[in-house]
Amino acid sequence: GAVVSQHPSWVICKSGTSVKIECRSLDFQATTMFWYRQFPKQSLMLMATSNEGSKATYEQGVEKDKFLINHASLTLSTLTVTSAHPEDSSFYICSAPPGLGYEQYFGPGTRLTVT
Amino acid sequence: RKEVEQDPGPFNVPEGATVAFNCTYSNSASQSFFWYRQDCRKEPKLLMSVYSSGNEDGRFTAQLNRASQYISLLIRDSKLSDSATYLCVVNRGGTSGTYKYIFGTGTRLKVLA
Repeated sequence: GAVVSQHPSWVICKSGTSVKIECRSLDFQATTMFWYRQFPKQSLMLMATSNEGSKATYEQGVEKDKFLINHASLTLSTLTVTSAHPEDSSFYICSAPPGLGYEQYFGPGTRLTVT
Repeated sequence: RKEVEQDPGPFNVPEGATVAFNCTYSNSASQSFFWYRQDCRKEPKLLMSVYSSGNEDGRFTAQLNRASQYISLLIRDSKLSDSATYLCVVNRGGTSGTYKYIFGTGTRLKVLA
């Protein structure tokens, strides 16, 4: 299957700082990527849809000014958690499908801990 | 009512058992369907896509019933390594920038020795 990488795999930061997470499709181009968040023992929650060449689409309740998404190229999307707080600590996962309606491939996730 | 519903389980079954998971979806315009497996603290991994004709991959069989808006996954001869959470995923369709994947809450399976 297709490969999606994510970096970093884990990060610990202090409250009030910003953290950038990168998501790359390694062997295919992705005009659309998805960002999810998962809290312990819960299902994945879609945060936003990242669109190459246009603004991201955020799900209801997700603050677009706090979670900045940039889809810089057909193989790279970034999520920046600005002014992080302890309640932002979570497992952040990106995914990309190789085409509309196709299966999506997930990055390995980034475990964020805000102290 | 959630757009994609699954029995959360947990399903505790002995090794060698056959276990079936069900999933229902409410949006009749849904276009593609998948089963993913997620291990603890890991990302979901694609198990199989689901087609109306049904499809089989070794011990795993998936079925889609569009009329009933129902998807199933059958695991035969369960192994200890099958223990995981199984996620039903539905693609709602649309154009680039508007389509999205809807996840069920997942069904936990524990295969016991």
